[in-house]
Amino acid sequence: AQRVTQPEKLLSVFKGAPVELKCNYSYSGSPELFWYVQYSRQRLQLLLRHISRESIKGFTADLNKGETSFHLKKPFAQEEDSAMYYCALSGSNYGQNFVFGPGTRLSVLP
Amino acid sequence: NAGVMQNPRHLVRRRGQEARLRCSPMKGHSHVYWYRQLPEEGLKFMVYLQKENIIDESGMPKERFSAEFPKEGPSILRIQQVVRGDSAAYFCASSPDRGAEAFFGQGTRLTVV
Repeated sequence: AQRVTQPEKLLSVFKGAPVELKCNYSYSGSPELFWYVQYSRQRLQLLLRHISRESIKGFTADLNKGETSFHLKKPFAQEEDSAMYYCALSGSNYGQNFVFGPGTRLSVLP
Repeated sequence: NAGVMQNPRHLVRRRGQEARLRCSPMKGHSHVYWYRQLPEEGLKFMVYLQKENIIDESGMPKERFSAEFPKEGPSILRIQQVVRGDSAAYFCASSPDRGAEAFFGQGTRLTVV
């Protein structure tokens, strides 16, 4: 079964500090992994996906199949990064759902 | 492409009434997902549909909730005999294919009074 876990419900860091949002998954096939962000009063939007291997707003995420993890990292947090972050998994097999983790609320303090 | 459109944005219902939430996916998208977000909580999967078919409804409560995605027209999430606990934000997302990025609507905020 597909499952995504994000162990931290809330993460607070100071501006300029590194940040890592953890995500682990369970999936029997080859998953597609995503990070979505929801800023206050806005719709969820895609931040990045593992196959693109790009950096968006300074964030990167590496898929580690051995550890079944897809942690989101940024070397220097900014106040505008404060938001809700969701890790998500989708499978390409028929019937595979688009599953989200419970989310981590990142609060970047001045 | 207008993006995923959900309406209404806000819906107030009295206990016992029916709530109908609509989701028009992006053009060319045949996969629709519904999620519920309770205050201060994350997204909870409800149902996954493709045109005219329910693929996965494992997140739907067994009673009072139903969803459809007809050949023509928007996807509908229907909640019968609403209760206060149904108050939440309901989000719809669509994607063009399995494994592809999902695009979200702005959500419908349901308040049951």
